[in-house]
Amino acid sequence: DAGVIQSPRHEVTEMGQEVTLRCKPISGHNSLFWYRQTMMRGLELLIYFNNNVPIDDSGMPEDRFSAKMPNASFSTLKIQPSEPRDSAVYFCASSPLGGSFADQPQHFGDGTRLSIL
Amino acid sequence: GESVGLHLPTLSVQEGDNSIINCAYSNSASDYFIWYKQESGKGPQFIIDIRSNMDKRQGQRVTVLLNKTVKHLSLQIAATQPGDSAVYFCAENIGGGKLIFGQGTELSVKP
Repeated sequence: DAGVIQSPRHEVTEMGQEVTLRCKPISGHNSLFWYRQTMMRGLELLIYFNNNVPIDDSGMPEDRFSAKMPNASFSTLKIQPSEPRDSAVYFCASSPLGGSFADQPQHFGDGTRLSIL
Repeated sequence: GESVGLHLPTLSVQEGDNSIINCAYSNSASDYFIWYKQESGKGPQFIIDIRSNMDKRQGQRVTVLLNKTVKHLSLQIAATQPGDSAVYFCAENIGGGKLIFGQGTELSVKP
């Protein structure tokens, strides 16, 4: 079974450049989550969508970060302009929508390792 | 310059022994808990979950125990194998689909 698919797996770019990370959730999953993982801060939720609608973006660090979900099978996380402190591994996760979010584990992709020079 | 990261708690066990990984959670209103396993270069992988109306749940070689009184969660792995070496995270659902992850514990299995 296809899991959550993220691209690219690795991205190295210079400070000031625009970065776009992509995610394809598991088919049939209605909720999509973007996380950032660093050694200092661990795994942090940035934003999540339910039925393609952003529900909570309180974890998005700054206006330089934006996320979209134009349809049920695709989401992007964009950083513009990028800065060295944005270097991290970015994960996308999805889960099925049940009667309550409480019973559904999130399934993660293998992440995008982002390095901003 | 190079950033200094946090050092994860480490548990080292002998192959074949049982492992117990502990986690303290923060929100007494959390109603759902998940254990994830993360191997190097990969995303967190779902292992087992438990709802707050239970205090124990068993899977294949894994058991999760929940003590709501002291807000403590543990993961027991029976007959630990080298393939179990990874970082293990607990996560609590604080509501609205939001998960808060613990800092993680690195499990090292010695052959």
